[in-house]
Amino acid sequence: DAMVIQNPRYQVTQFGKPVTLSCSQTLNHNVMYWYQQKSSQAPKLLFHYYDKDFNNEADTPDNFQSRRPNTSFCFLDIRSPGLGDAAMYLCATSRDGVTFGGYTFGSGTRLTVV
Amino acid sequence: RKEVEQDPGPFNVPEGATVAFNCTYSNSASQSFFWYRQDCRKEPKLLMSVYSSGNEDGRFTAQLNRASQYISLLIRDSKLSDSATYLCVVISGGSNYKLTFGKGTLLTVNP
Repeated sequence: DAMVIQNPRYQVTQFGKPVTLSCSQTLNHNVMYWYQQKSSQAPKLLFHYYDKDFNNEADTPDNFQSRRPNTSFCFLDIRSPGLGDAAMYLCATSRDGVTFGGYTFGSGTRLTVV
Repeated sequence: RKEVEQDPGPFNVPEGATVAFNCTYSNSASQSFFWYRQDCRKEPKLLMSVYSSGNEDGRFTAQLNRASQYISLLIRDSKLSDSATYLCVVISGGSNYKLTFGKGTLLTVNP
C-alpha cells in the first residue's frame, strides 16, 4: 500500500550518462519534492512543484532538472552525473505544504555513479 | 550559520538509559517543528511533531523554546530498537513549503 513510490530503488549509472529517477504518488497531493541526501548528511531540498509551478532552490546545480507531467508523477533528471552526485534521492509529497499533516516520503533511490 | 543545527553525536547509551537531543534553528519566523527518525539506508519517518507547550508520546518527550529557538527530544528507557539517526526538522512557513533538516544525530543503544 505504498503511497509514494520511487523507482528504481537502486540505480547505477555511468559518469556523464543521463539518468532519470521516478516518483509516483496515490495521495493526490499538490506538492512534490526532491531531496538529495549524501552519506552522513541532512537531506537537502533540490526543488519542488506546487501543482505545475516549479520552484528551484538557489543552490541546485543546473545539472539537475525535474518534470511533473501530471499530479501523480514527478521525475528527477540528472543530465551528466558526476561522482559527487552519488547519493540517496528522496521524493516527498505534501497536500499543501503549509500544514504538516501530509508530508510523506518515498523509500528513496540510491544512486551510484561509476 | 546553518538553518538547523543539532548535536553532532554519535550517542552510545545502554538499554534503559535516558538520552536527550538538542537542536537550534536560525529563522525566528519558523512555524512548525518535528523530529524525524531515519534508519540506516532508509527514508526519514516522522517521529513526532513539536508543540509550543511541549508534548509527550510514550517514552518520547519533545520541547520547544521559541525565545531561544531551541528544540529538544528526550527518550526515556531506551530500547535497542531506538537505534537510528534522529533528525530535527523545521518548516519556515510562508510560501516556502519545505522541510529543512538538521544533519541528524546517530543514536546507538547497546544491550
